[in-house]
Amino acid sequence: NAGVTQTPKFQVLKTGQSMTLQCAQDMNHEYMSWYRQDPGMGLRLIHYSVGAGITDQGEVPNGYNVSRSTTEDFPLRLLSAAPSQTSVYFCASRPTGGRQETQYFGPGTRLLVL
Amino acid sequence: GQQVMQIPQYQHVQEGEDFTTYCNSSTTLSNIQWYKQRPGGHPVFLIQLVKSGEVKKQKRLTFQFGEAKKNSSLHITATQTTDVGTYFCAGSGSQGNLIFGKGTKLSVKP
Repeated sequence: NAGVTQTPKFQVLKTGQSMTLQCAQDMNHEYMSWYRQDPGMGLRLIHYSVGAGITDQGEVPNGYNVSRSTTEDFPLRLLSAAPSQTSVYFCASRPTGGRQETQYFGPGTRLLVL
Repeated sequence: GQQVMQIPQYQHVQEGEDFTTYCNSSTTLSNIQWYKQRPGGHPVFLIQLVKSGEVKKQKRLTFQFGEAKKNSSLHITATQTTDVGTYFCAGSGSQGNLIFGKGTKLSVKP
């Protein structure tokens, strides 16, 4: 199994540009989520999904959209990038979203918005 | 909303010294998980504690869950340079989402 994969690894955007961060998992996990990590701020939840067709907002959802058309994929869209969205983005998954399940993280996407 | 506080934010130790990071929640937790993130890497699951007062060990790492299930600690005995990284605790929020502490960044001087 490849686990959780993310593309791209690095991205530079100009303010106002849009882009999609890709996330895929091959473990048949129902629950997937997106976090952003900023220095001194830990990991903050952006959006999550408990299964195909179901998404919900996390702690910091503004400026981001998600969709979940398949179990495997959970892309994160930045509609109009802003410098405040410069961050490291991690996608994660776990089997069913149960409270006692291990969460598996992807390698991350480092995004710089100029 | 639910918060998970973690201290200290940074810890610098000499190799061979011990290290402890503490995690406190504003509410009772059903369980707590600990993750380690190496520099430039992604968080990797270390362990989960579920029972009140639970203590688990992994080699030089000792994890504790408080009696009230509102606090937890990670203790590393005789640190090594391979222990360098950021350690996060995470508790389950009301909707089952993981709420992460801000992490403790450990540096180890050889």
